[in-house]
Amino acid sequence: LAKTTQPISMDSYEGQEVNITCSHNNIATNDYITWYQQFPSQGPRFIIQGYKTKVTNEVASLFIPADRKSSTLSLPRVSLSDTAVYYCLVGGGGFQKLVFGTGTRLLVSP
Amino acid sequence: DVKVTQSSRYLVKRTGEKVFLECVQDMDHENMFWYRQDPGLGLRLIYFSYDVKMKEKGDIPEGYSVSREKKERFSLILESASTNQTSMYLCASSFGRAENNEQFFGPGTRLTVL
Repeated sequence: LAKTTQPISMDSYEGQEVNITCSHNNIATNDYITWYQQFPSQGPRFIIQGYKTKVTNEVASLFIPADRKSSTLSLPRVSLSDTAVYYCLVGGGGFQKLVFGTGTRLLVSP
Repeated sequence: DVKVTQSSRYLVKRTGEKVFLECVQDMDHENMFWYRQDPGLGLRLIYFSYDVKMKEKGDIPEGYSVSREKKERFSLILESASTNQTSMYLCASSFGRAENNEQFFGPGTRLTVL
């Protein structure tokens, strides 16, 4: 299983760019990297997914280096409503191999 | 919009009781999942199902069982609840056979076992 490691918490201010890195040294060839966001009292929700290089959508960007042993979720110009826990999920080749990280708690202050 | 609902937001049970947690999804998804979420441990997969009457163990199946008699419904069963099963339980569903497809989560059930 591709175990993942994320920082426990991060602090930021409104308007700043936030980068959250996930380490997954044992990622397998067919594993994808997915990020989820979770607000208090809610289930996680999908943000972005990638396999290699860079992926961008209306919410975030995902950067994956060539060796794919880590990935970085980038949130441009965060707002107070981006305060949440962010999970990195790595897996492929079977549902049993999907492994969520322990999550990064992002606190955005005014 | 996909909607995943869970039968209770909060549940309090006593040690030794049989507990049923119900999950229903309305988007005809093939796959359904049960996770538990604990501080510092993130989300851990208990069981999943890729079809009616099919079930597969996840990372931590001990002490749990599941049932999927209809496509839209996936039940988690604690045969004899114990205090170490106090946790937040999250149900999710996804479409198709690719394990990387987006999972849609319910709001969770916070279970306390006294």
